[in-house]
Amino acid sequence: GAVVSQHPSWVICKSGTSVKIECRSLDFQATTMFWYRQFPKQSLMLMATSNEGSKATYEQGVEKDKFLINHASLTLSTLTVTSAHPEDSSFYICSASSGGRQTTDTQYFGPGTRLTVL
Amino acid sequence: AQTVTQSQPEMSVQEAETVTLSCTYDTSESDYYLFWYKQPPSRQMILVIRQEAYKQQNATENRFSVNFQKAAKSFSLKISDSQLGDAAMYFCAYKGSNYKLTFGKGTLLTVNP
Repeated sequence: GAVVSQHPSWVICKSGTSVKIECRSLDFQATTMFWYRQFPKQSLMLMATSNEGSKATYEQGVEKDKFLINHASLTLSTLTVTSAHPEDSSFYICSASSGGRQTTDTQYFGPGTRLTVL
Repeated sequence: AQTVTQSQPEMSVQEAETVTLSCTYDTSESDYYLFWYKQPPSRQMILVIRQEAYKQQNATENRFSVNFQKAAKSFSLKISDSQLGDAAMYFCAYKGSNYKLTFGKGTLLTVNP
């Protein structure tokens, strides 16, 4: 149980275009989903937290107009990188939690999406 | 703000041997959770083990166990009978009252045959 999927697994796009990444919880309802960014050989950096039906909460330094997050249902959250530029190239990982903002809840991670902007 | 420190960027172990990965953290909270996640070359984050701070007993999952020293704010991971499939990046993570995970920088574990 507790499977999280991401689509696509990798994407290459031209500078200036927008890219949408989907994160789905397959066998549980995810009240809260998290989006991380990971640079090569580095740790995960939390970008934002989304709760179903409400606006996402962004971490300091993350541009909310650049990284649009939607959590329209209990099983789906999307991250849209708008007007992508080469510096947005990275590995994006989502995670999902079933219990919301509870310390006891474990986050389950998706397999990640590698974004390359040319 | 909470911080998580992994002082060993890289570690290596011989197959079938035991290795310990270190992790220390800083917090003023008394109720929190600690995790070890594994990230193999596929980059899929996999939960290895979880420890509740209020539990004195160290968590164990098969060949994986932790040494949780709350007063010292230390949370090391011991891997027994290391296998080639254990080779990965290991991240220590803290989760407190703000429900967010704070990760260490990771330790790259190599398992030698």
